[in-house]
Amino acid sequence: NAGVTQTPKFQVLKTGQSMTLQCAQDMNHEYMSWYRQDPGMGLRLIHYSVGAGITDQGEVPNGYNVSRSTTEDFPLRLLSAAPSQTSVYFCASSYGVRNTEAFFGQGTRLTVV
Amino acid sequence: GDSVTQMEGPVTLSEEAFLTINCTYTATGYPSLFWYVQYPGEGLQLLLKATKADDKGSNKGFEATYRKETTSFHLEKGSVQVSDSAVYFCARDKVIFGPGTSLSVIP
Repeated sequence: NAGVTQTPKFQVLKTGQSMTLQCAQDMNHEYMSWYRQDPGMGLRLIHYSVGAGITDQGEVPNGYNVSRSTTEDFPLRLLSAAPSQTSVYFCASSYGVRNTEAFFGQGTRLTVV
Repeated sequence: GDSVTQMEGPVTLSEEAFLTINCTYTATGYPSLFWYVQYPGEGLQLLLKATKADDKGSNKGFEATYRKETTSFHLEKGSVQVSDSAVYFCARDKVIFGPGTSLSVIP
């Protein structure tokens, strides 16, 4: 039982490069989300999805794109990385939005130089 | 809008001390409430939850009671251990998280 799997665990990018953070879950959860965690800022919601084909913006969506072509996968794309995107990124999934716990991946530590 | 507020950290306690981390929420209706724990270098994991007023969630010696009248869900543990050192997040449904409280327990 893999749960929520994020790859890669660590990544260093140069300013302006693009990359995709992968997130996959095997629990048939409808709800998936991406957060960034910065010192003193807690978790900030970037984008979320309530099901395949449906995505929406969270609190800090600028500079990030997402898609949800399948229930299992929810990749996060950085189109042109900036130093301000240096952070730890977490993907999470849950069966629904109400009354259910969220399951988190192990995180991706991204550094943009 | 809906939100979760929790006490600022960091919190440093000696082993076997009593722990309280305050959490209050705003909401329309009666949300489910959660406490998550994040150990160093790991993702968040569910610690305990409560789904209705007066429910008490408990796990690993931690407890929290859903108080509708004070819109609170404070986390408590009677005797903390070094292994409890982590960041604790209060949350409500719609995956709304508080800012987290860092706890360090020293021997």
